[in-house]
Amino acid sequence: ETGVTQSPTHLIKTRGQQVTLRCSSQSGHNTVSWYQQALGQGPQFIFQYYREEENGRGNFPPRFSGLQFPNYSSELNVNALELDDSALYLCASSLGLAGEYEQYFGPGTRLTVT
Amino acid sequence: AQSVTQLGSHVSVSEGALVLLRCNYSSSVPPYLFWYVQYPNQGLQLLLKYTSAATLVKGINGFEAEFKKSETSFHLTKPSAHMSDAAEYFCAVSVESSASKIIFGSGTRLSIRP
Repeated sequence: ETGVTQSPTHLIKTRGQQVTLRCSSQSGHNTVSWYQQALGQGPQFIFQYYREEENGRGNFPPRFSGLQFPNYSSELNVNALELDDSALYLCASSLGLAGEYEQYFGPGTRLTVT
Repeated sequence: AQSVTQLGSHVSVSEGALVLLRCNYSSSVPPYLFWYVQYPNQGLQLLLKYTSAATLVKGINGFEAEFKKSETSFHLTKPSAHMSDAAEYFCAVSVESSASKIIFGSGTRLSIRP
């Protein structure tokens, strides 16, 4: 059974640019959640996708957007990057809503904005 | 708004000693409470989850946590620390109004002294 994978592992972008991060869910999981983890802090919930529809969003501006595909893999897009967007971005997949079902986390993508 | 507070950003114990990591949630009883562990350069792994079925919750790797409503606490314990327990630990809570949203604490780094 393949776990949650994320790509790329590391990424360096310039302020104002756009970035796309990718996540492959664990087999059979229809729900993906994205989190931002700044250095020395806990993960912050960005949004969740359930069967290709956004199903819950945290306090992040609209320049953070996402997609979930029919195979339940997912993308996180961030436009107009700011220095404060530098963080570890984690995705987690589950069999259903994150509160009710165990989330399985990927290793994350480390984004650095200069 | 639902939140969790982890007391102590860094805890150091000797190998074989009791591990106690503290977590307090905000006043309303949440649907679910969690403890996660994060090893360096890895994603988060679920240690245990409180679902109101039992106040004492046993998790993996010998960890357990006790839900105390009167103290709004959900502290994590392990009777005897092992070197492999060194990691970052996060307490988290699900938001009552949205089962998809998980709020994490700021984390406690556990160090084990030989």
